[in-house]
Amino acid sequence: GAGVSQSPSNKVTEKGKDVELRCDPISGHTALYWYRQSLGQGLEFLIYFQGNSAPDKSGLPSDRFSAERTGGSVSTLTIQRTQQEDSAVYLCASRGRTDYEQYFGPGTRLTVT
Amino acid sequence: AQSVTQLDSQVPVFEEAPVELRCNYSSSVSVYLFWYVQYPNQGLQLLLKYLSGSTLVESINGFEAEFNKSQTSFHLRKPSVHISDTAEYFCAVRAAGNKLTFGGGTRVLVKP
Repeated sequence: GAGVSQSPSNKVTEKGKDVELRCDPISGHTALYWYRQSLGQGLEFLIYFQGNSAPDKSGLPSDRFSAERTGGSVSTLTIQRTQQEDSAVYLCASRGRTDYEQYFGPGTRLTVT
Repeated sequence: AQSVTQLDSQVPVFEEAPVELRCNYSSSVSVYLFWYVQYPNQGLQLLLKYLSGSTLVESINGFEAEFNKSQTSFHLRKPSVHISDTAEYFCAVRAAGNKLTFGGGTRVLVKP
């Protein structure tokens, strides 16, 4: 079956612009996660959605970052007023209700110039 | 809070030689441990996991890891590596909410 997909695969943006990153989880997966992978910080948790519960936003680095998940499926991570330190690979993962394993997408490489 | 330490950032190894990647964790909740592999320019793939039961877990491509509760370790081993094993390997522990806390990663470079 189809895995987790993310778009775009690469995004180059100018400092100060807003960007939206999209994640399509595996069909039927109730949990969705966003992580960030950067040279200086490694792999960091950003935000977690589980069904209809309030999202766990404890990993978001600033209020410029937000995410939503519509209809319990597709998720969008939005970064407002991008900064150079936002340059990273943004990874999305999903998990089934009875799984412990997270399935990762290929990531979106964001470059802020 | 959970944390994961991967003691080696890079491990060069010759083809057909054994390799061990070290991982130590701390966790205040039930321990679920994972090894993920990231091949060049690709996403993360699950290599193996420990949830419960036998402390030795194996993957389909020859890797194995042993959960050691007393040493809080989950080291990854392979008795004979191939060029295709060149990748970055991440150890992770499940934190509250089933989110993962990752170690810093270990780059394995297999030389012919």
